[in-house]
Amino acid sequence: AQSVAQPEDQVNVAEGNPLTVKCTYSVSGNPYLFWYVQYPNRGLQFLLKYITGDNLVKGSYGFEAEFNKSQTSFHLKKPSALVSDSALYFCAVSADTGRRALTFGSGTRLQVQP
Amino acid sequence: DADVTQTPRNRITKTGKRIMLECSQTKGHDRMYWYRQDPGLGLRLIYYSFDVKDINKGEISDGYSVSRQAQAKFSLSLESAIPNQTALYFCATSDFSGGAGTQYFGPGTRLLVL
Repeated sequence: AQSVAQPEDQVNVAEGNPLTVKCTYSVSGNPYLFWYVQYPNRGLQFLLKYITGDNLVKGSYGFEAEFNKSQTSFHLKKPSALVSDSALYFCAVSADTGRRALTFGSGTRLQVQP
Repeated sequence: DADVTQTPRNRITKTGKRIMLECSQTKGHDRMYWYRQDPGLGLRLIYYSFDVKDINKGEISDGYSVSRQAQAKFSLSLESAIPNQTALYFCATSDFSGGAGTQYFGPGTRLLVL
């Protein structure tokens, strides 16, 4: 079975400071890892994904994530947070074997203070 | 978001009623999914379909059924609604890329079962 853990329900950061939203995963086989963002009253929007290759993945809105196989982590980062980044962030995993459907984490609410 | 549409956007119903949530997509994707979102639980997969003749149960399919009427349409039914089915429901699509395909989400249907 595959699973995702997002250990922080909420992350608070000041505008202009770097942010990190944590994610760890468990799968059988090679992982495919995703980050999605949800703004209030909206559906989920794709930010970035890791399939293979370079461990540092760059995505939309200045976000990036680093795949760490030994730590089974895929943390989301941004060098300088904006108030408009405040939203709910979901990490998700699938694999190159088995069902190949996404499993989502419970989500982390990011609050960026002015 | 306009590529994946969901109707209705909001629905209030009573316990025991049958209701249908509809999803349409113009992305030309083969794969379609239904999720429910509950606070603190993230998104959980209800059903997914890899093509018109291939429908699979997700992790929480009890109490739900689906119909894939065409490549572009995927409906979710609650045969006899109960209050713990109150949730936000999302439809999503992806292309055929094994487990690596990006999923594109509709805007969601907010369902309240009284």
